[in-house]
Amino acid sequence: GENVEQHPSTLSVQEGDSAVIKCTYSDSASNYFPWYKQELGKRPQLIIDIRSNVGEKKDQRIAVTLNKTAKHFSLHITETQPEDSAVYFCAASTGGNTPLVFGKGTRLSVIA
Amino acid sequence: NAGVTQTPKFQVLKTGQSMTLQCAQDMNHNSMYWYRQDPGMGLRLIHYSVGEGTTAKGEVPDGYNVSRLKKQNFLLGLESAAPSQTSVYFCASSYLALAGGSRETQYFGPGTRLLVL
Repeated sequence: GENVEQHPSTLSVQEGDSAVIKCTYSDSASNYFPWYKQELGKRPQLIIDIRSNVGEKKDQRIAVTLNKTAKHFSLHITETQPEDSAVYFCAASTGGNTPLVFGKGTRLSVIA
Repeated sequence: NAGVTQTPKFQVLKTGQSMTLQCAQDMNHNSMYWYRQDPGMGLRLIHYSVGEGTTAKGEVPDGYNVSRLKKQNFLLGLESAAPSQTSVYFCASSYLALAGGSRETQYFGPGTRLLVL
């Protein structure tokens, strides 16, 4: 089955700097790659997703890139702000009725 | 719309006790999921359901049972609680458009914090 590896497990950046979180997946049939943000004590919430027919997707300060050949995808956050501090999870799925497989998460701390 | 709701918010059990965690969604989603979240382990899928009356095992199903008698409800049962089941449990739901296999956002409930002594 699918296996998703996420790095780094913790990341500290200065406010205003960029943050990059990387995930690799094992199943070349995976075609859907969402990213979730979980603030302390809250539920995970989708922040951006990408499908396998797209190489990059942006939403304001957040972008996701996908390299199907290398089987990895990354989350990029520019101009980080303290409210970006949270745990971020990547996930992958082969579609259909197959559930998402999540990475173990990255704890991002933005230092003011 | 309330989205995905879970009850209870917090529960303390003694080893060997049983309980049912309840999940409800009002978005007419066909798929529902139960995850557990432990420090450093991410979100691990326990069981899931792609439609009323159907359930399937996830990554960590042992010690849990589920039922999906109604489309809007997904119940997670612990028959004999163990300290290893101390965790935060999240329910989630999503709509899968079967034609073309496209997938829509998975929405999570607020979580249930379970402590087994």
